[in-house]
Amino acid sequence: QFVLTQPPSASGTPGQRVSISCSANRSSIEIKTVSWYQQVPGATPKLLISFNNERPSGVPDRFSGSKSGTSGALTISGLQPEDEADYYCATWVDSLKSLVFGGGTKLTVL
Amino acid sequence: QVTLRESGPALVKATQTLTLTCTFSGFSLSAPGMCVSWVRQSPGKALEWLARIDWDDDKYYSASLKTRVTISKDPSKNQVVLTMINVDPLDTATYYCARIRTMGYLDFWGQGTQVTVSS
Repeated sequence: QFVLTQPPSASGTPGQRVSISCSANRSSIEIKTVSWYQQVPGATPKLLISFNNERPSGVPDRFSGSKSGTSGALTISGLQPEDEADYYCATWVDSLKSLVFGGGTKLTVL
Repeated sequence: QVTLRESGPALVKATQTLTLTCTFSGFSLSAPGMCVSWVRQSPGKALEWLARIDWDDDKYYSASLKTRVTISKDPSKNQVVLTMINVDPLDTATYYCARIRTMGYLDFWGQGTQVTVSS
C-alpha cells in the first residue's frame, strides 16, 4: 500500500518560517509531482502548490513547495494568522493509477 | 471562470445506492487534458480520493472502493456522475468534485455536498 505521511501537527508564531513534510513509504515508486492544499476549518480545500513548486494565481509567494526523491515539503515563509488551517499533500501515482493524499497537518499559529 | 457544483441526496439508508452529480462550467470535458475527480472527507478525517474520469473516457478508481463506485460523464450536460452502491454509515462524508489536471493536481473544487448514511 502506498502511503504519504505528514506530521499530524505543526505550529509557529507570526513571521516564522514553517515547513511541513510529506514522505512516501515506498521508495520503489517514483513521485513525479507533489501538490499541496489548504483547508481552513469548515471550508473547501484550496490548491496551494500545483506541482512541486508552482503556485496558482492568487496564492501568496510566502508559500513554496519542493520535492526530492520520494518526499516533498511545503514551506511557509513569514507565517500569518490566516495561515492557520489543515494542509494536505497529494500525488498521482502512475503505477497505481491513483491519487493519494497525505493524512493532513494541522497548522496552528501561536 | 471554472466552477463545479455537487448535488445529490443529503441522507441515504445503508445498503442503498448513492448517486451524486457534479455540474461544472468554464471548461469542456471533451477537451484533451480535462479530467474530473471525486474526493470525500469524513467528519474530522483526511481527504480521500475516490475516482477520476478523463476527457477520453478513461476511468480510475480508488483500490479500496472500486467494487462499489462508478464514475461517468455527460459532456453535453457538463456533468460527471458518481454512483456508489451498497452504502454504509462509514460512507458518511462531504463529497467534493474537482477538476484534476493530468499532472495530478486538483485546481478547482466544488463546495462539497454532505451525505449522511443512516443505519
